[in-house]
Amino acid sequence: GNSVTQMEGPVTLSEEAFLTINCTYTATGYPSLFWYVQYPGEGLQLLLKATKADDKGSNKGFEATYRKETTSFHLEKGSVQVSDSAVYFCALDQGAQKLVFGQGTRLTINP
Amino acid sequence: EAGVAQSPRYKIIEKRQSVAFWCNPISGHATLYWYQQILGQGPKLLIQFQNNGVVDDSQLPKDRFSAERLKGVDSTLKIQPAKLEDSAVYLCASSFPPYNEQFFGPGTRLTVL
Repeated sequence: GNSVTQMEGPVTLSEEAFLTINCTYTATGYPSLFWYVQYPGEGLQLLLKATKADDKGSNKGFEATYRKETTSFHLEKGSVQVSDSAVYFCALDQGAQKLVFGQGTRLTINP
Repeated sequence: EAGVAQSPRYKIIEKRQSVAFWCNPISGHATLYWYQQILGQGPKLLIQFQNNGVVDDSQLPKDRFSAERLKGVDSTLKIQPAKLEDSAVYLCASSFPPYNEQFFGPGTRLTVL
């Protein structure tokens, strides 16, 4: 079946550090891929998405590229801020808008 | 634009009791989803509605969970009777087909003692 695997957390970085959160997937075909973010006390919000191979999604300084060769969709940001502290979820659309989520990666940024 | 509303935000019950959660999606969103998020895991889809019809309930434990979406707007999710392993955050989301972005509510945190 379809599945998403994220790097184990939690991840702790200093402000202005470079961020990578790994995400790999298993799926039939080429599903749309997403990163959602959950800030403390809030619901999940869509951060970025990519709908086909080699697409790059970007938002708020975050980027992720859809790599079908490596079945990956790693999240990156060049310089993180304290306000980026949150839980990040990678997800795929397995069809008919049904999302399969990874287990989430908790990110803490220290000033 | 108002977001997805859920209530209550927190609920504590004893095992074998019943509980119900309510969700009001974004106006005009035809598709509504209920997810269960157990601590340390990603959300898992329980049921998907399109207007007031069920699209997918394959992951819903139907012996104890039920959901309805009367008039294609608000939805309720019920657990009867609750078990300890039902402790989780229950998330409601909605979307506007054909766009596949889902908008999530803040969730209801259920603790079963």
